[in-house]
Amino acid sequence: AQSVTQLGSHVSVSEGALVLLRCNYSSSVPPYLFWYVQYPNQGLQLLLKYTTGATLVKGINGFEAEFKKSETSFHLTKPSAHMSDAAEYFCAVTNSGYALNFGKGTSLLVTP
Amino acid sequence: DSGVTQTPKHLITATGQRVTLRCSPRSGDLSVYWYQQSLDQGLQFLIQYYNGEERAKGNILERFSAQQFPDLHSELNLSSLELGDSALYFCASSPRSVGGYGYTFGSGTRLTVV
Repeated sequence: AQSVTQLGSHVSVSEGALVLLRCNYSSSVPPYLFWYVQYPNQGLQLLLKYTTGATLVKGINGFEAEFKKSETSFHLTKPSAHMSDAAEYFCAVTNSGYALNFGKGTSLLVTP
Repeated sequence: DSGVTQTPKHLITATGQRVTLRCSPRSGDLSVYWYQQSLDQGLQFLIQYYNGEERAKGNILERFSAQQFPDLHSELNLSSLELGDSALYFCASSPRSVGGYGYTFGSGTRLTVV
């Protein structure tokens, strides 16, 4: 069965600094990978996804992620953090087509 | 507005009771998924329906059940409620199976069991 591990349940960055949220996956077949963001008291919103093709994927709000098969990773980055980026971020994987398996989430704090 | 509608937004009920959560998927989406989100368990997949048929089951308790109706809306029924069932319940939808589409999530129903 496929699964994801998000390293670091809490990440704190300064405004303007690089954001790096880590996700490693486990899958016996080529996976589909996703990053979602959840703002307080809201549902999850899709940031970006990797299906096939280009391994560097660009998403909304300036975020991007790179699929590295050799490292089984799909880390999320943003060059310059904004205060509005403070939220919970979830990495997810599927290969069955039936359901997404989510990581435990990483809470991003952005300080002035 | 994501296009996935969940009602009610908040629900407070007593232990032992039964509640029904409702979800209307995004227009054109055939698959509906239910998830439970709690602080200790994270996001747990409960069940998926595709075009009215149960497609996959996750960590769904026997006290919980769901169905998808001909108009594609779905209901999650939670019975014999326990304090530990307090959580956020999300519905999500996708065009067919999730595949490379990902989900569109509703804003959730916050269930509090007292």
